[in-house]
Amino acid sequence: GDSVTQMEGPVTLSEEAFLTINCTYTATGYPSLFWYVQYPGEGLQLLLKATKADDKGSNKGFEATYRKETTSFHLEKGSVQVSDSAVYFCALSEGNQGGKLIFGQGTELSVKP
Amino acid sequence: DAGVIQSPRHEVTEMGQEVTLRCKPISGHNSLFWYRQTMMRGLELLIYFNNNVPIDDSGMPEDRFSAKMPNASFSTLKIQPSEPRDSAVYFCASSTPGGLSNQPQHFGDGTRLSIL
Repeated sequence: GDSVTQMEGPVTLSEEAFLTINCTYTATGYPSLFWYVQYPGEGLQLLLKATKADDKGSNKGFEATYRKETTSFHLEKGSVQVSDSAVYFCALSEGNQGGKLIFGQGTELSVKP
Repeated sequence: DAGVIQSPRHEVTEMGQEVTLRCKPISGHNSLFWYRQTMMRGLELLIYFNNNVPIDDSGMPEDRFSAKMPNASFSTLKIQPSEPRDSAVYFCASSTPGGLSNQPQHFGDGTRLSIL
C-alpha cells in the first residue's frame, strides 16, 4: 500500500541555519504531496503542496519539489527562525482515495537562538 | 472565516465511561476525517466521510469506537466504554470538494482525551 517515510527527528538547528527534512513516498498512482506543520497545542496546518511531477510548492520561505524519479518531496528552508520550531509532516493523497491522506511519522524541529 | 471547530478541547474521565467528541467542519466542505495522535503510533486516520456517508472506517480500532455524521455540519466520535489506552489527541479535519486528492485538509485544534 501507499506509504510515506520521513527522516527521524528531533532536528536541532541554530537560527539562520539551512534546513532539509527528507521525505520519500511509495504510491501506486500519481499522488498529490503535502507538507503540514503542527505547532505545540495546535492542529496541523497546510504548509505547502504539489500536485504533479516537477511542481514546486512554496510558502513562508519553505520549498519542496515533487521528484517522481526519486519519489521524494524534501522540505527545505534557507534560513530558519526560532518561530519555525514545530513538528513537520509529509503526506500524500491519491485520486481514488476520496481525499484520504497518508502521513509520515513527523519530524520535530527545534531552532535555538 | 471559522475553521474546523472541535469540542471539548480537553476531556478527563474515568475508565468505563462513555466519551463523545464533537466536530463542526468548515461550511461547504463535504469530506470529514477523524484522526488520533499518540506518541507511540503517530497520526492515525480512524474514519472519513464524504457527503455524510462513511467511506472508510478501517482505522477504527475496535467496536468500542463509533462515528456518525447526521448532517453536513456536525459529526461525533464516540468511545464506549473508554479505556486508558484510548488516551490521545483526537483531530477532526474537513476538505472540499468531494475529497479530491489535490485539496488540502483543514484541521481543528483537537480534543486532548485522558482516560484515568
